[in-house]
Amino acid sequence: KQEVTQIPAALSVPEGENLVLNCSFTDSAIYNLQWFRQDPGKGLTSLLLIQSSQREQTSGRLNASLDKSSGRSTLYIAASQPGDSATYLCAVNNNDMRFGAGTRLTVKP
Amino acid sequence: NAGVTQTPKFRVLKTGQSMTLLCAQDMNHEYMYWYRQDPGMGLRLIHYSVGEGTTAKGEVPDGYNVSRLKKQNFLLGLESAAPSQTSVYFCASSITEFYGYTFGSGTRLTVV
Repeated sequence: KQEVTQIPAALSVPEGENLVLNCSFTDSAIYNLQWFRQDPGKGLTSLLLIQSSQREQTSGRLNASLDKSSGRSTLYIAASQPGDSATYLCAVNNNDMRFGAGTRLTVKP
Repeated sequence: NAGVTQTPKFRVLKTGQSMTLLCAQDMNHEYMYWYRQDPGMGLRLIHYSVGEGTTAKGEVPDGYNVSRLKKQNFLLGLESAAPSQTSVYFCASSITEFYGYTFGSGTRLTVV
């Protein structure tokens, strides 16, 4: 059974910092990995999707990497802003999508 | 472009009552999923469907039933609600199992 772990569980940074969120998974036979953002009381917004054949994906200030062999993915956020405050979820797809518990990010002005 | 729409957004049920949650997608996706999200437990798959007329059990299927009579709709039913089913329910869809998921905005269900 796929297990997905996200570290840290919570992170607080001052505005402008670059930061890295970590995701690890136990079964490397995946189709893809997806990073989501969830605001309090809201649904999940897809940020980046990395297919198993890819090493990274970029969208604006976000960059996600994938290392299947080590079972790791990172989400890099450049020049963080207060509007980035949310919970970030990593989800790993090998036949069905398994989610980590998330990292709750707070960016202080 | 609606994407994935869930109704209702909020509901309070009494123990033993029944209800149906509706998920509709307009992206012609084959696969649809129902998840529940609980504090400290993350998102867990309840049931899923790989196409019209098909359904399959996920990680936590007990107490729920589903139907996929039309490709665009995926219904989640609670026949006899229990307080343990208090949760936020999310529907998602994908083109097939090899693609990313699109989520609805969720249904917050409280069973008293």
